[in-house]
Amino acid sequence: AQSVTQPDIHITVSEGASLELRCNYSYGATPYLFWYVQSPGQGLQLLLKYFSGDTLVQGIKGFEAEFKRSQSSFNLRKPSVHWSDAAEYFCAVGLISSGYARQLTFGSGTQLTVLP
Amino acid sequence: NAGVMQNPRHLVRRRGQEARLRCSPMKGHSHVYWYRQLPEEGLKFMVYLQKENIIDESGMPKERFSAEFPKEGPSILRIQQVVRGDSAAYFCASSRSGSNIQYFGAGTRLSVL
Repeated sequence: AQSVTQPDIHITVSEGASLELRCNYSYGATPYLFWYVQSPGQGLQLLLKYFSGDTLVQGIKGFEAEFKRSQSSFNLRKPSVHWSDAAEYFCAVGLISSGYARQLTFGSGTQLTVLP
Repeated sequence: NAGVMQNPRHLVRRRGQEARLRCSPMKGHSHVYWYRQLPEEGLKFMVYLQKENIIDESGMPKERFSAEFPKEGPSILRIQQVVRGDSAAYFCASSRSGSNIQYFGAGTRLSVL
């Protein structure tokens, strides 16, 4: 069965500092990987995704993530954090059914706090 | 273009009552997914439906929970005889046929007294 581990429950960074959120996955085949962001009381917004091809993917709001098969990782990065990035971030892997990602398995999330 | 619409946003029920959560997918989306988020946890898959069909209900509790996605109208997640442990945020997502991307609604926060 697939699984996702986000080792950092809570991360605090200063505004303008760089950010890296870690994600490790377990999946028997080439994974479909996602990063979502959840603001308080809101639903999840897709930041970026990896299905195949270039292992460095760009997303919205200046985020990027790098897929490393050898490390089973899909870490999320941003060069300079803004106060509005404070939120909870979820990494997810998609269970492939009939060629499409149908059932998403989520990590437990990383809560990001941004200091002024 | 409206996103995934869930209602109600907040639902309070007493133990033993029924809870009905509704989800209208994005326009043009025929696939619906339900997830549950317990406090301090990530989302857990419950069920995947297409119009009039349950495709995968491997994450649904065996008792008291049911889901449907009728030909007309929203998808419904129904919880009978709620217990305190059912208190959680329930999220619906939808996708277009042939797409790997799920778009999420804002969720329904169920509180069981």
